[in-house]
Amino acid sequence: QVQLQQSGPGLVKPSQTLSLTCAISGDSVSSNSAAWNWIRQSPSRGLEWLGRTYYRSKWYNDYAVSVKSRITINPDTSKNQFSLQLNSVTSEDTAVYYCARMGGAACYDFWGQGTLVTVSS
Amino acid sequence: DIVMTQSPDSLAVSLGERATINCKSSQSVLYSSSNKNYLAWYQQKPGQPPKLLIYWASARASGVPDRFSGSGSGTDFTLTISSLQAEDVAVYYCQQYYSTPRSTFGQGTKLEIK
Repeated sequence: QVQLQQSGPGLVKPSQTLSLTCAISGDSVSSNSAAWNWIRQSPSRGLEWLGRTYYRSKWYNDYAVSVKSRITINPDTSKNQFSLQLNSVTSEDTAVYYCARMGGAACYDFWGQGTLVTVSS
Repeated sequence: DIVMTQSPDSLAVSLGERATINCKSSQSVLYSSSNKNYLAWYQQKPGQPPKLLIYWASARASGVPDRFSGSGSGTDFTLTISSLQAEDVAVYYCQQYYSTPRSTFGQGTKLEIK
């Protein structure tokens, strides 16, 4: 059974960088059949896909247009995890952040527990 | 982006009765080469992440009770709970993954007990 365990701070100051990590068990970040995603949820924006990383003989990343200039998602094969960095945050980035696996059916079949990140001074 | 619109926004159904939630996409999510609809349904309970219920519009995810079923094709889809149980109280979301990686979700439908 795949499990995703999120970690990272719940409070970030405006203009600073939001950093979260998602540790994977039961699968590999280097899997050739999965993609590893970050999704956020807020009352104003609903569920919003942010980006993903995946391995198909080499590493690829895709990012949502809305955050493309501010986001980085990196795999860490040594720890079997992946991370999210979102720069220059504002109050609009306050949300619950989830990591999720996209499996063979191309939808999100396993999710992390969620991290409420509040952007406030 | 493909816009997903659910109806109704909220729904109250008696225990044991049928619940029906609709989802409409702004363009077809039927991939002609595979004849598959790139449409999923999720259930989210308070304080929990979404849980995958249905994928390819009508395939139940592992462990999902058979009272949950999905139907539809192209732009119009339905999630049906045949006999509502107390544990089904949740918010339900549809999601298109036709435009993967830029998938989009509906706004959610809150299901309550009448």
